[in-house]
Amino acid sequence: DQQVKQNSPSLSVQEGRISILNCDYTNSMFDYFLWYKKYPAEGPTFLISISSIKDKNEDGRFTVFLNKSAKHLSLHIVPSQPGDSAVYFCAASAPSSNTGKLIFGQGTTLQVKP
Amino acid sequence: GAGVSQSPSNKVTEKGKDVELRCDPISGHTALYWYRQSLGQGLEFLIYFQGNSAPDKSGLPSDRFSAERTGGSVSTLTIQRTQQEDSAVYLCASSISLADTQYFGPGTRLTVL
Repeated sequence: DQQVKQNSPSLSVQEGRISILNCDYTNSMFDYFLWYKKYPAEGPTFLISISSIKDKNEDGRFTVFLNKSAKHLSLHIVPSQPGDSAVYFCAASAPSSNTGKLIFGQGTTLQVKP
Repeated sequence: GAGVSQSPSNKVTEKGKDVELRCDPISGHTALYWYRQSLGQGLEFLIYFQGNSAPDKSGLPSDRFSAERTGGSVSTLTIQRTQQEDSAVYLCASSISLADTQYFGPGTRLTVL
């Protein structure tokens, strides 16, 4: 039972354009969502997060949008840069469960072409 | 400051052998987590520690897996009688407290021949 799904295994965009990575979830108890970026042979690096009380959070070139009714979140990167090429994981948690457990999607490999 | 470190970075072992993976969390982080990532998959949650206590071991794949944490710091994940399906990257993360942002180590790539 995949509670967090990233249906696009890969995405390729041109440098300077917008990258949009999507994530869907099924568990309505999730109330905190995160995006991590992962380079080969490294651990995931925290990128940005959003609480369920918000529908948007922005940090520089990165913006995360949350649509609770659709159980959908997306990460927008604009403008995209070649250094953004990595695997992006979305993750969800239910802090009310008090375990810190993160449920991850399968990841989307982003390639930004110069 | 220093991030989460894990050792070894790579481990190749024969089926049936025991392996021990180590995690050094960020200093002062009370919560510690273990995940694993099998080829082409997302990260799978294994276990968490609050201090030295692991209240919920249900995420461990089998009774061949065990984990401990001592002194509120270093944690070891032990896999007994390794099987080929145990091959994966094992990732450790820590956070200041439960539900805070988790910071990951580089992982240990385990290959069971």
